Amino acid sequence: AQSVSQHNHHVILSEAASLELGCNYSYGGTVNLFWYVQYPGQHLQLLLKYFSGDPLVKGIKGFEAEFIKSKFSFNLRKPSVQWSDTAEYFCAVIFSGTYKYIFGTGTRLKVLA
Amino acid sequence: GAGVSQSPSNKVTEKGKDVELRCDPISGHTALYWYRQSLGQGLEFLIYFQGNSAPDKSGLPSDRFSAERTGGSVSTLTIQRTQQEDSAVYLCASSLGGGGAGQNIQYFGAGTRLSVL
Repeated sequence: AQSVSQHNHHVILSEAASLELGCNYSYGGTVNLFWYVQYPGQHLQLLLKYFSGDPLVKGIKGFEAEFIKSKFSFNLRKPSVQWSDTAEYFCAVIFSGTYKYIFGTGTRLKVLA
Repeated sequence: GAGVSQSPSNKVTEKGKDVELRCDPISGHTALYWYRQSLGQGLEFLIYFQGNSAPDKSGLPSDRFSAERTGGSVSTLTIQRTQQEDSAVYLCASSLGGGGAGQNIQYFGAGTRLSVL
């Protein structure tokens, strides 16, 4: 079955700490990969996406993600988090031949000022 | 419109009542999706429309759930005889549609928070 796993459900960091959130997906051929963020009380917003080409993609607000095909992973990183990064982060995958997102369960990030 | 619009933003209903949730997608987006976000279940796909057709209804949890889309635009998700386990945030998204990768980026509405008492 097509699935997406986010291993960290809750992460607490201090400001300026580095962040890495894991995302793995089940094998399914060609994939489109996304990270979305949901700030408290707001709707889901696209952080970054990968379709093809350079496996290191940069998104908004200093976030980046690396697609490692051999590991079926698409981890999200930020070198130095800010209090305003407190939010829930969702990894999403579109598997080949489909149009719907399969979401991971999300990671709640809390950044302490 | 400028973004995906959903109404109502909050809905409180009694168990057994029917509810209708509305989604107004971004103008020009041919694809429309409904998801459900609930505690412990994460974000679950419900149904996908391309135009007015629904080629994928695989996520609808029971026959109490139905959705339609008219004029290739507005969609309505209907839940009949609501149950407490239907309480969740129902999210709508739209995308340009078509086969190109860039056309699959989905833009989400703010959701409808449904509470079934």
